[in-house]
Amino acid sequence: DVKVTQSSRYLVKRTGEKVFLECVQDMDHENMFWYRQDPGLGLRLIYFSYDVKMKEKGDIPEGYSVSREKKERFSLILESASTNQTSMYLCASSLTSVAYNEQFFGPGTRLTVL
Amino acid sequence: AQTVTQSQPEMSVQEAETVTLSCTYDTSENNYYLFWYKQPPSRQMILVIRQEAYKQQNATENRFSVNFQKAAKSFSLKISDSQLGDTAMYFCAFMGPRGGNQFYFGTGTSLTVIP
Repeated sequence: DVKVTQSSRYLVKRTGEKVFLECVQDMDHENMFWYRQDPGLGLRLIYFSYDVKMKEKGDIPEGYSVSREKKERFSLILESASTNQTSMYLCASSLTSVAYNEQFFGPGTRLTVL
Repeated sequence: AQTVTQSQPEMSVQEAETVTLSCTYDTSENNYYLFWYKQPPSRQMILVIRQEAYKQQNATENRFSVNFQKAAKSFSLKISDSQLGDTAMYFCAFMGPRGGNQFYFGTGTSLTVIP
């Protein structure tokens, strides 16, 4: 089974702090994604990566950056956390861009910015 | 960007009954995939069922089936013999043919199965 893990289930940070959210997948997937999930808004794509060191902006990249130094790991970075970034963050991965593939999700990180 | 609309924020169903969750989407593409994902309370999101747009036959997975109407751009999920474990948030998702396997999600329907 594909396993996608996220470094924390719950995280509390203060405004202005730099925040790192880590995601690791163990099935050699090419694609990795970061979403934020908010009530009434569903899942919105922040960034995705289809290869090591490659990244593409999603629908809401402002205030975020990402890093993918190794194929299995995709990090989401909040350079200076703000209260409007309080949300559930979901990481996902999929096998390849060549064919249609489902996305596999991690358990999520609930981030609270005070 | 593609848009996916789930017009039912919340639904409930009696245990053992059947319920249908609605999803519509907007696209100019001819080839694409549609998915239903389930997110149980405090648990991981998992795939329920998927449908390839080029297939006319509706997908089924045990108690879960879809009604795919390509011309109407409608993709509803039917859950038969509802069980307490079906209580979850359900998301409809669209994936187009262009790069990166990017998904577009609806806003979700919160389903509660009542004992």
